Amino acid sequence: NTKITQSPRYLILGRANKSLECEQHLGHNAMYWYKQSAEKPPELMFLYNLKQLIRNETVPSRFIPECPDSSKLLLHISAVDPEDSAVYFCASSPRGSGNTLYFGEGSRLIVV
Amino acid sequence: QQKVQQSPESLSVPEGGMASLNCTSSDRNFQYFWWYRQHSGEGPKALMSIFSDGDKKEGRFTAHLNKASLHVSLHIRDSQPSDSALYFCAARVQVVGQLTFGRGTRLQVYA
Repeated sequence: NTKITQSPRYLILGRANKSLECEQHLGHNAMYWYKQSAEKPPELMFLYNLKQLIRNETVPSRFIPECPDSSKLLLHISAVDPEDSAVYFCASSPRGSGNTLYFGEGSRLIVV
Repeated sequence: QQKVQQSPESLSVPEGGMASLNCTSSDRNFQYFWWYRQHSGEGPKALMSIFSDGDKKEGRFTAHLNKASLHVSLHIRDSQPSDSALYFCAARVQVVGQLTFGRGTRLQVYA
């Protein structure tokens, strides 16, 4: 799905800071960050709907989202922890059409 | 308790066979349901949405929803090896908001 691009695709980190980037070319109004650990369902971290943030209160404070405009989404991670090892998916959805989610290819984060 | 429960956890069917996946919700507030498919190394991709009671057919895929019993199913006829993937049932209360995923059914189609 090249209409939602994520970077970087792979990331190996020690306890460092890093940002994940996402851009959607679908003209959607809502954008999301999901975390998926191995063989588990995607879990919502953050949702921006018309640039209003809704957060999952269980997400650690070291994760900070940013939505500079309606097509871009960032996820800043400070002092990553081994439990943060997962694939992070960006997704977007349109207003109407049942609001089906469209996912990017993901950014795989490995914390060593 | 998981709000969206899927069964079976894994399923193996022969090429050309029928695969049937089930999903039950414990929350009567869920109004909107989807089936997502995820191939290894890729993001989930929406297969079908179903919002009204009854059947919805798209090609080889048929979804069925029964809101009274909070049950959703997905049937794949003429299964192909390319259908081998992890299938998620997902549900939402409102038109926009959090999508709750089940734990998934892993489908293997063998030749």
